[in-house]
Amino acid sequence: AQTVTQSQPEMSVQEAETVTLSCTYDTSESDYYLFWYKQPPSRQMILVIRQEAYKQQNATENRFSVNFQKAAKSFSLKISDSQLGDAAMYFCAYRPNRDDKIIFGKGTRLHILP
Amino acid sequence: DGGITQSPKYLFRKEGQNVTLSCEQNLNHDAMYWYRQDPGQGLRLIYYSQIVNDFQKGDIAEGYSVSREKKESFPLTVTSAQKNPTAFYLCASSILGRGTNEKLFFGSGTQLSVL
Repeated sequence: AQTVTQSQPEMSVQEAETVTLSCTYDTSESDYYLFWYKQPPSRQMILVIRQEAYKQQNATENRFSVNFQKAAKSFSLKISDSQLGDAAMYFCAYRPNRDDKIIFGKGTRLHILP
Repeated sequence: DGGITQSPKYLFRKEGQNVTLSCEQNLNHDAMYWYRQDPGQGLRLIYYSQIVNDFQKGDIAEGYSVSREKKESFPLTVTSAQKNPTAFYLCASSILGRGTNEKLFFGSGTQLSVL
């Protein structure tokens, strides 16, 4: 069965510092998509970043970047220059290209310390 | 404005009662999803649909039912067989595949509680 594991239930980072959130996944597929979603206190889910497994280059979106290690089945999210607005739950998600099923990890709650 | 609308925002269920959560999208997406969110459990997939008149069970489908009679609509019924229905329910839709800027569009959620 395909699973997504986020091993850090909570993390804290000082404002303006850098933090890395971990995600590992288990799959026998070679072609798939990986995502990081953010859920702020409003509970509205927002896409942070997307990675397609066939692309070797790590995705970046402004202050957000990923470290995609396909062989290790690892997909960590790095947030640079952390801001108070980054405080949220962060979910890692996975979809195999041959299916529309999208599964999520249990999430990491990120606290930003002023 | 294009988007995905869930209603109601809050819903209360009595013992033995079936309740239906509404989800409508005007994004012309083929794929739609229902997730359940409990504290510490992340988002768990209940059902998903790739096309009208077709849907697949997710990881926790027991006690739930869905229909997909129209592309725009994917209602979720929480039946009396679901013994622990209190949770936050999220509906989502998506455009899928390479070159599509794939992402899930989420509704604002329904908080279901048992009276």
